Amino acid sequence: SQWGEENLQALSIQEGEDVTMNCSYKTYTTVVQWYRQKSGKGPAQLILIRSNEREKRSGRLRATLDTSSQSSSLSITGTLATDTAVYFCATLRGSALGRLHFGAGTQLIVIP
Amino acid sequence: EAAVTQSPRNKVAVTGGKVTLSCNQTNNHNNMYWYRQDTGHGLRLIHYSYGAGSTEKGDIPDGYKASRPSQENFSLILELATPSQTSVYFCASGDAGWGGADAEQFFGPGTRLTVL
Repeated sequence: SQWGEENLQALSIQEGEDVTMNCSYKTYTTVVQWYRQKSGKGPAQLILIRSNEREKRSGRLRATLDTSSQSSSLSITGTLATDTAVYFCATLRGSALGRLHFGAGTQLIVIP
Repeated sequence: EAAVTQSPRNKVAVTGGKVTLSCNQTNNHNNMYWYRQDTGHGLRLIHYSYGAGSTEKGDIPDGYKASRPSQENFSLILELATPSQTSVYFCASGDAGWGGADAEQFFGPGTRLTVL
């Protein structure tokens, strides 16, 4: 893909463990967003990190952004079974009005 | 109360038939988007709109048309449906300005389309 993409993988972990998912992108972006999609639902934004931020936290979530390597990560601490979902990173395409490019996603399965 | 709704939620169509997918949003957002989701491809942008009366091509517009008759409604039209258009379709709304720094998109629940 020319744009944002993730290391396509499926992760299966035990409840309570911490997990980190990675995203690499090939074209400059001012924003990286992370979305979560639960089975049978539409995606929902979890966290947004801007190019002038190296780290952003929200509850059990931590996002990082390294513009020099064009990569971002999403970490979840103390996972719960309800964290089972597909996680996407999305990058902004230039200055186009909110036009995002989504990566292929990472399937996370948290075993209770 | 759901802010982005889609109809129908499931649709079976025949090859060569016309299919219209509808989306309604109550967020009062200017921008609306249509994506399709296939395994291994994530979400791919088909068409989007900046406001009533406008439609723009996304990354994979071939075989699709879009219509934005009002701020609230955005339709995706398959004039001659093909089996390759079998997919899950998502509508989203957002209110990004130029630069799009806060370009969160709010998604509907999706429409599963099967073209036989």
